[in-house]
Amino acid sequence: EAQVTQNPRYLITVTGKKLTVTCSQNMNHEYMSWYRQDPGLGLRQIYYSMNVEVTDKGDVPEGYKVSRKEKRNFPLILESPSPNQTSLYFCASSLGPGRDSGANVLTFGAGSRLTVL
Amino acid sequence: ELKVEQNPLFLSMQEGKNYTIYCNYSTTSDRLYWYRQDPGKSLESLFVLLSNGAVKQEGRLMASLDTKARLSTLHITAAVHDLSATYFCAVDIYGTASKLTFGTGTRLQVTL
Repeated sequence: EAQVTQNPRYLITVTGKKLTVTCSQNMNHEYMSWYRQDPGLGLRQIYYSMNVEVTDKGDVPEGYKVSRKEKRNFPLILESPSPNQTSLYFCASSLGPGRDSGANVLTFGAGSRLTVL
Repeated sequence: ELKVEQNPLFLSMQEGKNYTIYCNYSTTSDRLYWYRQDPGKSLESLFVLLSNGAVKQEGRLMASLDTKARLSTLHITAAVHDLSATYFCAVDIYGTASKLTFGTGTRLQVTL
C-alpha cells in the first residue's frame, strides 16, 4: 500500500530533551515536507526537501532540523524542544518535477502529536 | 507573503441544505488544492484545481477556481452528516506540491 509512515504517533517529552520524528514513504516520491498544525492557524510548513541532500526552510523552521540522506526518509529533529513546539506534526510527500501535474498531489502521513512539558 | 483566507471558519448546517465555503488568496497562483480532515485523522485530498475556470465535482462537493479573482469555492449540495469534517484549501505557488500555503480551515458540522 502506498503510504507515508510517521513515528511516533504520540509523544510526551520534557523541555530540552532531543527527539526525532521519523518519516518514510514508499512511493518513490522526490519531494517531502514537514508541516505543523495548530488550532486556528491551519498547517504551516516547517521544512521541505526536493531531493536527496537538498533541503530548504519553510515558513516556521526555527527550532527544527531535517536531513534527507535517502530518498524515502525525511526525519524531523528537535534538538532542544520547547513548549511552543507542542503541536500536531504531519509529514507529506509528492512526486516531484516533470510529473503529470494533475497527479502531483501531496500525500500526508497520519500525524504525530507532540507534547513538550 | 502569501495569505490564504477561508470563510466561514465554522459552519453548522442542516442535512439537505446547500452552502459554499470560500477561499481567498493574496498572490498569483493557478494551482489550488482542497483537503478534508476528519477529527484526529490526517488530511485527505479532495480536489486539485489546475487552471482558471477549473471545476471539479465529486458526489455532493463541487470545487471551482477563479485565478483572476484569486478565489476558490467549495460548494456543498444537499449536505449529509458524513460530510462533517474540517475542510482546508491550499495554494501552490510553485506548481509542484513542494510548498503549499494552507488556509485556516472550515469546520463543517452537518446536523439532522
